[in-house]
Amino acid sequence: GQQVMQIPQYQHVQEGEDFTTYCNSSTTLSNIQWYKQRPGGHPVFLIQLVKSGEVKKQKRLTFQFGEAKKNSSLHITATQTTDVGTYFCAGPGGSSNTGKLIFGQGTTLQVKP
Amino acid sequence: EAGVTQFPSHSVIEKGQTVTLRCDPISGHDNLYWYRRVMGKEIKFLLHFVKESKQDESGMPNNRFLAERTGGTYSTLKVQPAELEDSGVYFCASSSRQGLRFQYFGPGTRLLVL
Repeated sequence: GQQVMQIPQYQHVQEGEDFTTYCNSSTTLSNIQWYKQRPGGHPVFLIQLVKSGEVKKQKRLTFQFGEAKKNSSLHITATQTTDVGTYFCAGPGGSSNTGKLIFGQGTTLQVKP
Repeated sequence: EAGVTQFPSHSVIEKGQTVTLRCDPISGHDNLYWYRRVMGKEIKFLLHFVKESKQDESGMPNNRFLAERTGGTYSTLKVQPAELEDSGVYFCASSSRQGLRFQYFGPGTRLLVL
């Protein structure tokens, strides 16, 4: 079945270092979404990418959608302790876009002050 | 606007018991989803309601799980009888029909089956 793989599973960085998480889908996606879950919290929507090769920025966060619409990445520049959490990518599941999401395993980011 | 709410926030039960989780979506959101995250793994889809109808229940693990959304407002997810492997965090999410299909997640119910 459709799978979304995410690497790395964990990342420990020193505050100020950069961080990147990568997402790969077994199928072409119509769009990809990114969510952040703080420790003990719930997933919160960050962004949605729709176009092939799309790049979007939110302050220190840069999101990319691959040309083949099968992979995506999230890059954080100069991490801060507030960036701590688990970052999930998610793509629509199934042939009909009902809104069902298939999530990657998530990348848990730890930032040492 | 109030967010998605879930009740209870935590539940500890013994194997074989029954637990019912409740989700109140954002008012006016026709789409309601249930997901589960087990032991730090990926968030897995369970099922999707559009109003009171089950649109997709392909993720429901087995017939011990029963979801309802009578009246198209709040939803319940009952696990009966609970097994050890049912432990995890159950998230509910909702979205409106128009616009972006990103989802608003509730705080989750942390279920522990002993």
